[in-house]
Amino acid sequence: IQLTQSPSLLSASVGDRVTLSCKGSQNINNYLAWYQQKLGEAPKLLIYKTNSLQTGIPSRFSGSGSGTDYTLTISSLHSEDLATYYCYQYNNGLTFGSGTKLEIK
Amino acid sequence: EVQLVESGGGLVQPGRSLKLSCAASGFTFSNYGMAWVCQAPTKGLEWVASISTGGGNTYYRDSVKGRFTISRDNAKNTLYLQMDSLRSEDTATYYCARHREWSYFDYWGQGVMVTVSS
Repeated sequence: IQLTQSPSLLSASVGDRVTLSCKGSQNINNYLAWYQQKLGEAPKLLIYKTNSLQTGIPSRFSGSGSGTDYTLTISSLHSEDLATYYCYQYNNGLTFGSGTKLEIK
Repeated sequence: EVQLVESGGGLVQPGRSLKLSCAASGFTFSNYGMAWVCQAPTKGLEWVASISTGGGNTYYRDSVKGRFTISRDNAKNTLYLQMDSLRSEDTATYYCARHREWSYFDYWGQGVMVTVSS
């Protein structure tokens, strides 16, 4: 399954509601996770199984979706959310999307 | 606290070998599948290989099959990646990750750089 993330680059202001998209080439059956990777750091798990929040992750992060279309939402953007965000599917094989780079205006 | 610490990276010539290690602590290592994920410079993430709890089942992405071998020593709480016949396209940061029930990766190491160049 191939994953297409959009947009590839997103610029937003602190306090904005931000939505990142991930679309699969086939049905993912909700077996989708989201990772945050800050510059020079390892990826960090944010969301698994579409909408389950990993322990210790702030509640401003949420996930939704079904079938082939999934979304990561940051309800109110913080400056420390500057990062690249990757979706990842584990329904059929193991593949990552190409990432969305989130910039702070 | 879960900790994964990789080692063994470096500069190696094409066609040569390298062995990565990942020391695990803060959890019962033998209860979890483990994996290696790589990231080429300025590129995205790619799953490389995974291994079951006891080491009896291993899985690889097509581009490394027959060249890379994932293994583990549960007595030493250590994961390995033997990398043979290295190619320039294997140049990447390699992350060790805990692989939850053949699904998502919930904890990652800090990564180790492998550069394949003459």
